[in-house]
Amino acid sequence: DIQLTQSPSFLSASVGDRVTITCRASQGISSYLAWYQQKLGKAPKLLIYAASTLQSGVPSRFSGSGSGTEFTLTISSLQPEDFATYYCQQLSSYPFTFGPGTKVDIK
Amino acid sequence: EVQLLESGGGLVQPGGSLRLSCAASGFLFSRDSMSWVRQPPGKGLEWVSAISSDGGDPYYAESVKGRFTISRDNSKNTLFLQMNSLGAEDTAVYYCVKCRHSCQRENFQDWGQGTLVTVSS
Repeated sequence: DIQLTQSPSFLSASVGDRVTITCRASQGISSYLAWYQQKLGKAPKLLIYAASTLQSGVPSRFSGSGSGTEFTLTISSLQPEDFATYYCQQLSSYPFTFGPGTKVDIK
Repeated sequence: EVQLLESGGGLVQPGGSLRLSCAASGFLFSRDSMSWVRQPPGKGLEWVSAISSDGGDPYYAESVKGRFTISRDNSKNTLFLQMNSLGAEDTAVYYCVKCRHSCQRENFQDWGQGTLVTVSS
């Protein structure tokens, strides 16, 4: 199975900050990586797929990059509604796996 | 607008069974693969199972293989998850997920609101 790690697991940031979250895969997954945002008590929401494609309706301050084994999610200017937990997911092969999550909190 | 409405969750005793349903609307259900994802209270996401658009090719996480069965009724736009031999480790919110066409090499495009399954005596 392909394992995903995320770093950091927790980060504290201020509104307006640039935030970067890293996701690493235990083996190459090409660009078959997605990012999801989950707010407390809500279902996850797709942000980015194919490593760098922005899902329709997602603000352009979110961006993704990477391929192979290393990927990043960047929020260019953190907004109050962005405080949430972020998960990466590999869809290269079954079983699909999620990273452990990165919680973004208010400083 | 895509809508996925899960039902069937609740409290069940260890060793018991439960059948989850997901009523889909707002898209051509028979075209897209579907999946189930679960989240134990306070923990991360775990993919459980997936099924292709025509109901063939089911896939399962190792943790549920042999106990859970995914199925779908395209005539009723409904996805199911039959869960048997439930244990405390199966306690979680279960999400119904619509994939963008296929699940593999695509994405989990839309999510239901989830249904809570609690396994306890």
